Amino acid sequence: QITLKESGPTLVRPTQTLTLTCTFSGFSLNTDTVGVGWIRQPPGAAPEWLALTYWDDEKRYRPSLKSRLTITKDTSKNQVVLTVTNMDPVDTGTYYCAHSPSYGLLYFDYWGPGTLVIVSS
Amino acid sequence: DIVLTQSPDSLAVSLGERATINCKSSQSVFYSSNNKNYLTWYQQKPGQPPKLLLSWASTRESGVPDRFSGSGSGTDFTLTITSLQAEDVAVYYCHQYYTTPCTFGQGTKLEIK
Repeated sequence: QITLKESGPTLVRPTQTLTLTCTFSGFSLNTDTVGVGWIRQPPGAAPEWLALTYWDDEKRYRPSLKSRLTITKDTSKNQVVLTVTNMDPVDTGTYYCAHSPSYGLLYFDYWGPGTLVIVSS
Repeated sequence: DIVLTQSPDSLAVSLGERATINCKSSQSVFYSSNNKNYLTWYQQKPGQPPKLLLSWASTRESGVPDRFSGSGSGTDFTLTITSLQAEDVAVYYCHQYYTTPCTFGQGTKLEIK
C-alpha cells in the first residue's frame, strides 16, 4: 500500500526559505522506476506541478520556478525534500507530494493529504 | 506551456443523470509513436487531494466506478459520468503530461441540481 505524507511549517515569512519533507512508504526510490513529485494548489485554484525526482536522481523542475526550487531524496529514510527560496504571499497554498508511477511520465496516482503553507509577515 | 481549458466552469446535474465535462488543449497531447494521449482526469473533493480517475485519456484506475469514462484524442477530450451519484460532487480537473511542465485545467465544479 502506497502512502505519502507531507510535513513542514504552516507559516512562513516573506523572503524566507520553505523546506517541506515528504515521507513515503509502500515503494522504494532506490530500486523502483518511479518518481516522487511536489504539486501545490493555491486556495480556490487548480493544482500546479513544481518538481519531481526519480529513482536514478534525475530531477525535473517547473521552468518558471526552477531558480527557486530544489528537490532532493534520502532513500535511507524514504523521504523527499523540497526547498523553495524567497517565499512570497503568492506562494500560499496547499503543498502535496505524490507518487509518479513510471519513469518519464509526469502524472501522479497516489497523493499525500497535503500541508497548508501561508506566507505572511 | 500547454494550456488546458475546461468547459463548463460549473455544472449542476440531477441525480441519476449524465454529466459531461470537456477539456481542450492548446496543442495535441497525442504521441503517435505509441498511439497514446497523455491526459489524465482527477476528482477533488473539499479538503482532500486530487484523486486519479483516468490515465491515457480513457483508462480507468483500479477501483474507479465504471460510470466514469473518458474519450477524445489530440486536443479535445471529454469526461462523462453516467448516472450521477451524490458522492460525485467534486471539482474535476484534466491534466496533461505530454510536455514539461505538466499542466492542469482550471477545473469544473460539479453539483447536484
